[in-house]
Amino acid sequence: EAGVTQFPSHSVIEKGQTVTLRCDPISGHDNLYWYRRVMGKEIKFLLHFVKESKQDESGMPNNRFLAERTGGTYSTLKVQPAELEDSGVYFCASSHSGGRGTGELFFGEGSRLTVL
Amino acid sequence: AQKITQTQPGMFVQEKEAVTLDCTYDTSDPSYGLFWYKQPSSGEMIFLIYQGSYDQQNATEGRYSLNFQKARKSANLVISASQLGDSAMYFCAMREGGTGTASKLTFGTGTRLQVTL
Repeated sequence: EAGVTQFPSHSVIEKGQTVTLRCDPISGHDNLYWYRRVMGKEIKFLLHFVKESKQDESGMPNNRFLAERTGGTYSTLKVQPAELEDSGVYFCASSHSGGRGTGELFFGEGSRLTVL
Repeated sequence: AQKITQTQPGMFVQEKEAVTLDCTYDTSDPSYGLFWYKQPSSGEMIFLIYQGSYDQQNATEGRYSLNFQKARKSANLVISASQLGDSAMYFCAMREGGTGTASKLTFGTGTRLQVTL
């Protein structure tokens, strides 16, 4: 079974440019999450999809960030225009819905964004 | 107030020794779950162990065990017989709400563990 995959693994852009990060969750996982870790700080929640719907986007920093999950499959996170403080590692994670599981999140390897 | 606190930014341990990584948490929800993840230099986040707030016994997974002290709100990770491959960043995280609910995790700042010969 393929894990959570993220693309690109590293992106370097200039301030003001646009970047789109992609996440492919584990097949069959309805829940998809985006998290971000700014250097030296804790990993912070950005938003949560259940299938194609945004369940919770309370962690999105501002309206320069746009996340979509077309058809409830893969998700994209677009940053437009990028600012210096957006630099960090963006993690995607997915999980099962319901049941009596632990609710464990399966993470991708992250997309490192560097804004110059 | 921080919900997950990891007070050790870095730890060293000799190979084959045991090490304890500290984690304290804060929540008013009676139902919650605690997780530990490992992040090696390659970047991926690897799930290690889980403890539910109503679990009577401390969780164990191979060389990993979770020292759950509910009254103290601590969930320390114990790694026994450390190996060089255990060198990584370790994150403690919490989910508020019971099992079966979707997981929005709150993370600590992490502890970098270095295993030495």
